[in-house]
Amino acid sequence: SSELTQDPAVSVALGQTVRITCQGDSLRTYYASWYQQKPGQAPLLVMYGKHNRPSGIPDRFSGSSSGNTASLTITGAQAEDEADYYCNSRDSSSKHYVFGTGTKVTVL
Amino acid sequence: EVQLVESGGALVQPGRSLRLSCAASGFKFDDYAMHWVRQAPGKGLEWVSSISWNSGNIDYADSVKGRFTISRDNAKNSLYMQMNSLRAEDTALYYCAKVSSGGYSWWFDPWGQGTLVTVSS
Repeated sequence: SSELTQDPAVSVALGQTVRITCQGDSLRTYYASWYQQKPGQAPLLVMYGKHNRPSGIPDRFSGSSSGNTASLTITGAQAEDEADYYCNSRDSSSKHYVFGTGTKVTVL
Repeated sequence: EVQLVESGGALVQPGRSLRLSCAASGFKFDDYAMHWVRQAPGKGLEWVSSISWNSGNIDYADSVKGRFTISRDNAKNSLYMQMNSLRAEDTALYYCAKVSSGGYSWWFDPWGQGTLVTVSS
């Protein structure tokens, strides 16, 4: 089955820019969606499709994709952006849905 | 307001069964596919199962296929998961989510708050 690989952890200084990547073969076919999860909370959709941001998500969040890699960028990270971030896509062969391994973002 | 509320989680012994429910409100339930996603304690998200708007397309992760059965009742705006032959590794917080799609993209939004299933003797 397809896998989506993310860096386990990244850190960013307050107000700086951080990019979270998600790698997998299925991303050559399908777009990723991205989810933010804070401790004790359900995941929250923050990006989907080519570069669609749901209503209420700050415009400091942006998405992009190239080849087998999808990226979520936070430009001007805020303390409230500290969370776990997961990508998701669909396996090209099985059509099952797959979540990435998750990235813990720490805002310093 | 779009809302999903899960229920039915409990402490259950290995080999036993459990039925989860997810009550939906604030959107036209029978227009959307619905999914279950789980998260073991301290671990990442794992997709479990999906059901199309009319129950015509159903799919399961390999880890639960043959043991779990997803269903929905559009008249009651409700999603279900019948979980049989439960194992310790099924211990997790189970979320239901509404899934939309378009242009080679699928997205889970919103999610419920989750219901905890603990499998232990």
